[in-house]
Amino acid sequence: DQQVKQNSPSLSVQEGRISILNCDYTNSMFDYFLWYKKYPAEGPTFLISISSIKDKNEDGRFTVFLNKSAKHLSLHIVPSQPGDSAVYFCAAIKGNQFYFGTGTSLTVIP
Amino acid sequence: ETGVTQSPTHLIKTRGQQVTLRCSSQSGHNTVSWYQQALGQGPQFIFQYYREEENGRGNFPPRFSGLQFPNYSSELNVNALELDDSALYLCASSPPQGPNTGELFFGEGSRLTVL
Repeated sequence: DQQVKQNSPSLSVQEGRISILNCDYTNSMFDYFLWYKKYPAEGPTFLISISSIKDKNEDGRFTVFLNKSAKHLSLHIVPSQPGDSAVYFCAAIKGNQFYFGTGTSLTVIP
Repeated sequence: ETGVTQSPTHLIKTRGQQVTLRCSSQSGHNTVSWYQQALGQGPQFIFQYYREEENGRGNFPPRFSGLQFPNYSSELNVNALELDDSALYLCASSPPQGPNTGELFFGEGSRLTVL
C-alpha cells in the first residue's frame, strides 16, 4: 500500500529555470513531510521539511508547499543548478515511521 | 563529526543463507532505523531501534531482525534469504530529540544481491 506517491519518475529542466517536483499522499494523519535528495552511491540527504500545520516552508532556493485538502506536496527549486541533478524522494512521517515515495530523477541541463 | 557508516558496502549471498549488516550511527544519535530500497523504489521502513529496544516495525516478516548495542550501533539480520531480498539496505540515525522533527541521517547503504 503506497501511501506516498511520486508519479513522475523523471524531470528535465534548463539551468536557471524553476524545477517543480510533486508528491501525493493518502493518509491525512501524517505529522511532517520532507524532501530528501540522493546522489548515486550515496545515502539520501535531508533537504527541507514542513509540518502538517503549515502550508509553506522556504530555505534558500528550495520551497516546499503543502496542500492538505488535495493531499499534495511540491518542492520548488529556483533557480535550478546542474548540481541539483539527483533523485528526489518525498517522505511523510506518522509517529516514528517514515513513508517514502518512489523518487523523481531531476536532470538540470546546463 | 563522524557520519553514519555501514558495512559491508556490497555482498552476494545465495538463497537460503543468512546475512548480517552493520551500522554505526552518527555521533550523539541514539535512534537507528533500517530501510530496504529495492530497485526503482523508495526506501521501505523495516524497523527502528531506540535505546537497544525495537521501537516500531514495518511490514517485514520475522526473518528480518535487528539489534542495537549500548554504543548505539546496530545490526540487521536476515535469515532464509529470498531472491526478493536483493536490495540496497539503508541505515539511518537520528538525534536524541527523535526523528519526528523530520531529519534522518543516512549511511551509503549495503547492496545485497541474492542469487
